[in-house]
Amino acid sequence: ILNVEQSPQSLHVQEGDSTNFTCSFPSSNFYALHWYRWETAKSPEALFVMTLNGDEKKKGRISATLNTKEGYSYLYIKGSQPEDSATYLCASFPSGAGSYQLTFGKGTKLSVIP
Amino acid sequence: EAGVAQSPRYKIIEKRQSVAFWCNPISGHATLYWYQQILGQGPKLLIQFQNNGVVDDSQLPKDRFSAERLKGVDSTLKIQPAKLEDSAVYLCASSLDQGFTSPLHFGNGTRLTVT
Repeated sequence: ILNVEQSPQSLHVQEGDSTNFTCSFPSSNFYALHWYRWETAKSPEALFVMTLNGDEKKKGRISATLNTKEGYSYLYIKGSQPEDSATYLCASFPSGAGSYQLTFGKGTKLSVIP
Repeated sequence: EAGVAQSPRYKIIEKRQSVAFWCNPISGHATLYWYQQILGQGPKLLIQFQNNGVVDDSQLPKDRFSAERLKGVDSTLKIQPAKLEDSAVYLCASSLDQGFTSPLHFGNGTRLTVT
């Protein structure tokens, strides 16, 4: 199973700042890319499912872009709020030859300082 | 709609003991997943069911882990005997289909500590 990489591993931003993080995945045999938000003591919550190269999705202050040819996706948060503090996970399907699992990265832990 | 239900939320056991986790997916969701998330790593798929059939269990340590989904609804995941390295959060998730164009809906997870 090939790796799904996320960067940075963690970051701290001030309330009101905008921020973004990266998810890299194998571009061969790409089918779908998922983003999830996981707040402490809660269940992971789906943000986006993206399948098309060049796709851009938006949900409130959060948006995501997808480049399937080079194998990366960006997640943007505009005007970060303390309630945005969470771990953001991306997952790619399929993850490599002979593997048909949704494979997760290690996540980016975001802390928004009031 | 009711979400994915999991129990227990927390479990502490000694190594070599047994433990079981329970999951009730969202009604109508055919696909059910069990993921293991060890601290500092991303969730790792243990087993995926489509209705009551196993789709993928390639990463399930079958010498100690077992899972079943009787009647294609509820599922249980069992560890027997547990090892220290099994300490993790066990997440159950369900989705409408297995094509991965539908999002996964997760339960709150079970945090297992093996001492």
